Amino acid sequence: NSKVIQTPRYLVKGQGQKAKMRCIPEKGHPVVFWYQQNKNNEFKFLINFQNQEVLQQIDMTEKRFSAECPSNSPCSLEIQSSEAGDSALYLCASSPLDRHYAEQFFGPGTRLTVL
Amino acid sequence: GMPVEQNPPALSLYEGADSGLRCNFSTTMKSVQWFQQNHRGRLITLFYLAQGTKENGRLKSTFNSKERYSTLHIKDAQLEDSGTYFCAAEADNYAQGLTFGLGTRVSVFP
Repeated sequence: NSKVIQTPRYLVKGQGQKAKMRCIPEKGHPVVFWYQQNKNNEFKFLINFQNQEVLQQIDMTEKRFSAECPSNSPCSLEIQSSEAGDSALYLCASSPLDRHYAEQFFGPGTRLTVL
Repeated sequence: GMPVEQNPPALSLYEGADSGLRCNFSTTMKSVQWFQQNHRGRLITLFYLAQGTKENGRLKSTFNSKERYSTLHIKDAQLEDSGTYFCAAEADNYAQGLTFGLGTRVSVFP
């Protein structure tokens, strides 16, 4: 079972507000991914980190989101100015850095509702 | 087309029945994971496969990278098997994350 921790479980924000969520990866996993799952079950990869460095991010994330994975602190994903379309389940996953074993372990998610 | 095509979108089973789900990939994938998502949204990993077949209790999964597909077979369906199942595949570029199918909503009836 995954030991990835995500907080908060639920987040309600008004349009234009900041929305911040956190993730503690499994111990020993240097790679962290963030995904967005919308109500149509479409998953979108947002960004990932290897230790504190961004490996890859999509355009949307670059423009409206800020994310970091500081050393010895939880990783975080923050939407700078929430929009109705950001309402979704945000999932964090961590993975060992092993080219032969790339299983991702998912947290319980943060469900964001933007009113 | 979609990089990961998952079928069927929905599946209704009676307790005790056997059935299968399938994901087809538009390109060669390095590995696949199968998840069951519970009603609270938690993704529970069922299998991780880089090749071949794995079994766990009443569940069995196969991944054929060359033929670009993966299957999940449910044997002797139970009520607790109800939920939404997703396959997710890892492409050559690990950094791009997993590509998910749209899910199969499984309903098991007594």
